[in-house]
Amino acid sequence: DIQMTQSPSSLSASVGDRVTIACRASQNIRSYLNWYQQKPGKAPKFLINVASSLQSGVPSRFNGSGSGTDFTLTINSLQPEDFATYYCQQSSGTPPTFGQGTTVEIK
Amino acid sequence: QVQLVESGGGVGQPGRSLRLSCAASGFSFSDYAMNWVRQAPGKGLEWVAVVSHDGSNTHYGDSVKGRFTISRDNSKNTLYLQMNSLRAEDTAVYYCAKDSDYFGNYNFDSWGQGTLVIVSS
Repeated sequence: DIQMTQSPSSLSASVGDRVTIACRASQNIRSYLNWYQQKPGKAPKFLINVASSLQSGVPSRFNGSGSGTDFTLTINSLQPEDFATYYCQQSSGTPPTFGQGTTVEIK
Repeated sequence: QVQLVESGGGVGQPGRSLRLSCAASGFSFSDYAMNWVRQAPGKGLEWVAVVSHDGSNTHYGDSVKGRFTISRDNSKNTLYLQMNSLRAEDTAVYYCAKDSDYFGNYNFDSWGQGTLVIVSS
């Protein structure tokens, strides 16, 4: 199975900050990388697929990049509604696997 | 809009069975693969199983293979997960998740609200 590793596991930031979350795959997954946002007690929300394609309705302050084994989710100008846990997930093969999550907390 | 509503969760005893359902609406159910994804309390997301748009192909995670069966009834717009030989480690919120492709490309573009399964004697 392809292992997905996110860093950091958690971070504290303020409204208006720029936040970067890293995701590394244990093997080359080309651009088959998705990002999800999950708020407490809620289902995950699909944010980005194929590494950099924003889903409809996702604010443009979210940006995904990378290919191969190293990927990044950047949130520019963090907003109050962005405090949540973010997961990367590879869709390159079966089984699809998720990173362990990165929780963005209010500083 | 897409709506997915899970049901069937609750407390199940170790070794016993439960069946989860996911009622879908707002899209052409028979055109998309469907998945189950679970999340143990306080933990991350774990993919469980996928079924193709017509039910002809299924795949499972190693932790549930041989115990769980995913199926669908396109006439009822409903997805199922038959969970047999339950174990304590199956305790989780179970989400149904719509795929963006007929056969399953693992882009989970819509999710239900989840149903909690607790395995305990």
